[in-house]
Amino acid sequence: QKEVEQDPGPLSVPEGAIVSLNCTYSNSAFQYFMWYRQYSRKGPELLMYTYSSGNKEDGRFTAQVDKSSKYISLFIRDSQPSDSATYLCATRSGAGSYQLTFGKGTKLSVIP
Amino acid sequence: GAVVSQHPSWVICKSGTSVKIECRSLDFQATTMFWYRQFPKQSLMLMATSNEGSKATYEQGVEKDKFLINHASLTLSTLTVTSAHPEDSSFYICSAEQGDGPQHFGDGTRLSIL
Repeated sequence: QKEVEQDPGPLSVPEGAIVSLNCTYSNSAFQYFMWYRQYSRKGPELLMYTYSSGNKEDGRFTAQVDKSSKYISLFIRDSQPSDSATYLCATRSGAGSYQLTFGKGTKLSVIP
Repeated sequence: GAVVSQHPSWVICKSGTSVKIECRSLDFQATTMFWYRQFPKQSLMLMATSNEGSKATYEQGVEKDKFLINHASLTLSTLTVTSAHPEDSSFYICSAEQGDGPQHFGDGTRLSIL
């Protein structure tokens, strides 16, 4: 079993839709959770960085962490064609370990 | 804030040459920098972790003599691909981290070896 599971998609939605992206993880030691957006031939761009269970909102993006279920989500409201990219979830353990464990990434297309 | 600059963005060179890629944190001091390799349609694969002033820690299977990493300051790390061959062609991405904060990534370097 991979440490972080993420459905690779592809996921195609109409403009304006709410997008839900999800990852599950198996290692209880993971404490920090991130979502990155990666456009083709570019480096990943940090969207959200969370530590505790619960919701964190930033503009049209909401990150949700449920440590009891080992489940993390990213919601995108009012999706735009410019949101079309690959979304990577990532996680790492607490102090003393800086390596990230990535999901495989979900490719999202927002259709005008 | 938290900008990481990577240079060059694309390089094409002949087999056997060495290629240096620079990674700079522009507006923060990076306690740790990371080098990744990414194949098409795949996630990032960590190659090595480096801290300023100390030797890099390489992941299993990554040849340290092939991929030389120098982390000379808190804002600059370099990756040199020595005697590059076509199988080294890939997308190389660096990231930088400050303390317990998240990793911030550069825009990557596309390396093509002819």
